[in-house]
Amino acid sequence: SAVISQKPSRDICQRGTSLTIQCQVDSQVTMMFWYRQQPGQSLTLIATANQGSEATYESGFVIDKFPISRPNLTFSTLTVSNMSPEDSSIYLCSGRQGSDTQYFGPGTRLTVL
Amino acid sequence: EDQVTQSPEALRLQEGESSSLNCSYTVSGLRGLFWYRQDPGKGPEFLFTLYSAGEEKEKERLKATLTKKESFLHITAPKPEDSATYLCAVQSSGSARQLTFGSGTQLTVLP
Repeated sequence: SAVISQKPSRDICQRGTSLTIQCQVDSQVTMMFWYRQQPGQSLTLIATANQGSEATYESGFVIDKFPISRPNLTFSTLTVSNMSPEDSSIYLCSGRQGSDTQYFGPGTRLTVL
Repeated sequence: EDQVTQSPEALRLQEGESSSLNCSYTVSGLRGLFWYRQDPGKGPEFLFTLYSAGEEKEKERLKATLTKKESFLHITAPKPEDSATYLCAVQSSGSARQLTFGSGTQLTVLP
């Protein structure tokens, strides 16, 4: 199994600012993902983080708003840019080992005032 | 489009009262069905992967089963520490191989 850590675990930010979330995996994973989970709701995939190239975004999510980097096989960052209160959510990093089993980090709880 | 529906939305059980959670799905070619447990304020914790109809997997008081249209998570003699939200997700055999999640069942086990 893979152990995934995220920093920060939570943050309170002002409208219009940006926050970068870091994700570290303790072993190599084939794929890394970023999800959003709004209170009481299930997980929505934001994008697939691709090593050394641009992330693949899902419908409704754009690179200018959620720039993602993945410089190596075990590390990725997600930036939430120009934040508004609607961006308040839990952001989850996930890594897949092999072709199937997918593990999740503990999440970053973001509140935008 | 892949779809996952979980029922019930919430379930309250007395300690020791066995029950089942349901996950119905439609997918264009099932590659795998996944069960996760999520505690409040934490990320989902992987429980099981099921690949084909008729497959069963067990872990402590939990047993997951799979048919061509749905999966069940059976909880036998639950304890209060089993209280959590249980999430079901499917992975299609398409090129994206993304996970599509259901909305979860919030389980509360009362002592």
